[in-house]
Amino acid sequence: GAVVSQHPSRVICKSGTSVKIECRSLDFQATTMFWYRQFPKQSLMLMATSNEGSKATYEQGVEKDKFLINHASLTLSTLTVTSAHPEDSSFYICSARDPSWEQFFGPGTRLTVL
Amino acid sequence: QQQVKQSPQSLIVQKGGISIINCAYENTAFDYFPWYQQFPGKGPALLIAIRPDVSEKKEGRFTISFNKSAKQFSLHIMDSQPGDSATYFCAASTGRRALTFGSGTRLQVQP
Repeated sequence: GAVVSQHPSRVICKSGTSVKIECRSLDFQATTMFWYRQFPKQSLMLMATSNEGSKATYEQGVEKDKFLINHASLTLSTLTVTSAHPEDSSFYICSARDPSWEQFFGPGTRLTVL
Repeated sequence: QQQVKQSPQSLIVQKGGISIINCAYENTAFDYFPWYQQFPGKGPALLIAIRPDVSEKKEGRFTISFNKSAKQFSLHIMDSQPGDSATYFCAASTGRRALTFGSGTRLQVQP
């Protein structure tokens, strides 16, 4: 199957700082990528849909000014958590849709805000 | 409103047994039904997927059964192994929209 990478895999930051997470499709071009958040022992919650060359579409209740998404190329989308607070600590996972419309997920990024 | 309901929440199966996880959906516009396997601290991995024009799809030990009239689909894991112990998510989507996930099933296969 297709490969999606995320970087970093783990990040610890101080409250009030910003953190950028990268999501790359390694062997295919993805016009659409998705960002999810997952709390322990819970399902994946869609945060936003990222389309190459256009603004992201955010789900209801997700602050677009806090979670900045940029999809500058067909293989890269970034999520920036601005002014992070402890309640933002979570497991963030991206996915990319390949040309056959199947979605492949990255390995996730564990964010801890102190 | 939860659009994909998954059961059971947890499942314990003996090695060699059959694991069965069920999902029901409400949106009749859904046209793609994948199953994902997730290990702790990892991202979900696509296991198998089906579209509504077929009633069953088998890949190795994994089988999806799909009942369009009942709006239900299930995952069967034959000859379950301890290495299958993970959380399984069903999902559904329509067209180009994002996946809607079920709540997950934690499977434990006892040796």
